[in-house]
Amino acid sequence: AQSVAQPEDQVNVAEGNPLTVKCTYSVSGNPYLFWYVQYPNRGLQFLLKYITGDNLVKGSYGFEAEFNKSQTSFHLKKPSALVSDSALYFCAVRDRTDSWGKFQFGAGTQVVVTP
Amino acid sequence: EAGVTQFPSHSVIEKGQTVTLRCDPISGHDNLYWYRRVMGKEIKFLLHFVKESKQDESGMPNNRFLAERTGGTYSTLKVQPAELEDSGVYFCASSQPGQGIADTQYFGPGTRLTVL
Repeated sequence: AQSVAQPEDQVNVAEGNPLTVKCTYSVSGNPYLFWYVQYPNRGLQFLLKYITGDNLVKGSYGFEAEFNKSQTSFHLKKPSALVSDSALYFCAVRDRTDSWGKFQFGAGTQVVVTP
Repeated sequence: EAGVTQFPSHSVIEKGQTVTLRCDPISGHDNLYWYRRVMGKEIKFLLHFVKESKQDESGMPNNRFLAERTGGTYSTLKVQPAELEDSGVYFCASSQPGQGIADTQYFGPGTRLTVL
């Protein structure tokens, strides 16, 4: 069975410091990998996705993520965090063998960026 | 372009009552998904429509949940009768076929359901 793990319930970082949100997965074969962010009282917003090709994917708001096949990880990163990055972040995977591509989500990581 | 909208934003009902949630996808999106997040846990898939047809309803918890998508536009998710464990945030998402299962899904703001 496929699964997604976000090992940290919360990540605290000072504004201007690097931000990393971890995600590991267990899916047969090579999955499609996504990151979404949820700001308070808003829906999930798409940040970036890995489909194929370059392991480093760049997305919205200065975020990037690196696909590491050997470690089955897809960590989200931002070189310099902003207070406005404080939100709930979800990692999601889709099994390439699933005909209709439903998402498997992690439990989410709350990011708190302090001024 | 309007995003995915959901109604209501919040619903508080008593155990045994009926609640209907509505989702309006982005115009022209054939794929419509329902997901649910129970407090503090992962977001779980419920079902997937392609136009008006249910393609995958493997995530529906039991027969108290009924989803419809008449005419392939908006969708409703009815819970009847509601139980305490149905509490959570119900998300709807839509996508436009193009890259197959690599399509990006666009999510609505969710409906927070509380069953007392």
